[in-house]
Amino acid sequence: EPEVTQTPSHQVTQMGQEVILRCVPISNHLYFYWYRQILGQKVEFLVSFYNNEISEKSEIFDDQFSVERPDGSNFTLKIRSTKLEDSAMYFCASTPGGQFSYEQYFGPGTRLTVT
Amino acid sequence: LAKTTQPISMDSYEGQEVNITCSHNNIATNDYITWYQQFPSQGPRFIIQGYKTKVTNEVASLFIPADRKSSTLSLPRVSLSDTAVYYCLVFNTNAGKSTFGDGTTLTVKP
Repeated sequence: EPEVTQTPSHQVTQMGQEVILRCVPISNHLYFYWYRQILGQKVEFLVSFYNNEISEKSEIFDDQFSVERPDGSNFTLKIRSTKLEDSAMYFCASTPGGQFSYEQYFGPGTRLTVT
Repeated sequence: LAKTTQPISMDSYEGQEVNITCSHNNIATNDYITWYQQFPSQGPRFIIQGYKTKVTNEVASLFIPADRKSSTLSLPRVSLSDTAVYYCLVFNTNAGKSTFGDGTTLTVKP
């Protein structure tokens, strides 16, 4: 069964550093998402991406965040200058698109620790 | 986007049917209702989706009344491995934006 993959599984970085989290969505999917989950809290929407542009973003997704689909397979989330409060699990997800199919396939997540 | 409200936790016993209700009072015409299961340190996993009335698949049923302001996930004959957090998620098909609820922690006891 095809699956969404994410790398690295765990990233430790110092405050103020830039990080790039990588995702490989399922190959024929058209919609891509990033979520984050702070330890012990609910999953929070960050951004959705379709047709090579952001379609929706949350208040969390400020100027420090950016997304890219550089080569037609990878989908990346960049945090320009990390803060302690960016420590969380970051999940990538994708959906195939098409009418009435809104199942999101989630990756295993990247645990980001900012020290 | 529609805000969702779920019970924080529920307990059940093996073999029982579990019903988890989610409120989404300001749901919009373009919103679909989906439910996900999450185990610790894993990504959420899709269970079921619906727009209105009843939907059933091999693992669960979803009941949505005509006004669509709530939905109920029904898990038949739960087992210990169904212990997890269950999220009600309203998906806006126009914006492609999802709002997760706070989740319901289901604990299944032997």
